[in-house]
Amino acid sequence: DVKVTQSSRYLVKRTGEKVFLECVQDMDHENMFWYRQDPGLGLRLIYFSYDVKMKEKGDIPEGYSVSREKKERFSLILESASTNQTSMYLCASSLVNTGELFFGEGSRLTVL
Amino acid sequence: AQKITQTQPGMFVQEKEAVTLDCTYDTSDPSYGLFWYKQPSSGEMIFLIYQGSYDQQNATEGRYSLNFQKARKSANLVISASQLGDSAMYFCAMREVYQAGTALIFGKGTTLSVSS
Repeated sequence: DVKVTQSSRYLVKRTGEKVFLECVQDMDHENMFWYRQDPGLGLRLIYFSYDVKMKEKGDIPEGYSVSREKKERFSLILESASTNQTSMYLCASSLVNTGELFFGEGSRLTVL
Repeated sequence: AQKITQTQPGMFVQEKEAVTLDCTYDTSDPSYGLFWYKQPSSGEMIFLIYQGSYDQQNATEGRYSLNFQKARKSANLVISASQLGDSAMYFCAMREVYQAGTALIFGKGTTLSVSS
């Protein structure tokens, strides 16, 4: 069974803290993605990676960075968390040619 | 401009009725793919159905079918014989080409409520 695992389901952080959201997939997928989901806005693409150490900005990359040192792991980093980054963060992966995304369960981040 | 538009924030239907969730898209690429996902209240994203722009027939998966009208740039999801378990948020998505890869972009979603 395909599996995308996000390390934390719920996090509460303070403004200015550095935050790491981790995502691991066991399907040997080339592509991995980070989205954020907010009510009324749907899912918005933050960053994605098409290979180890390769990344591309999505539609809302400001305030975020990513790291992909190994094929199975994709990390989202908030260098200095702000209250407007309170959101649900969804990680996903896909094979390079299919497009179908397999999602993790999500990480709900609250920044106080 | 929005690439994927879902104009119905909420839809209400009774059990056993059919329901259509609207989705329009905007692209100039002749080759594209359209997806529908379901997100129940538990939060997981469940893939439902896919339609390729060159597919000759409308996609179907069990009770789900996609009413694909290429000229109108619409890809509506039709759920036949609604069940209580169909109550969820539904997202339409399209494959978008970025500089070095492709990713899905999503609409804002439609919340479907099925009542008995």
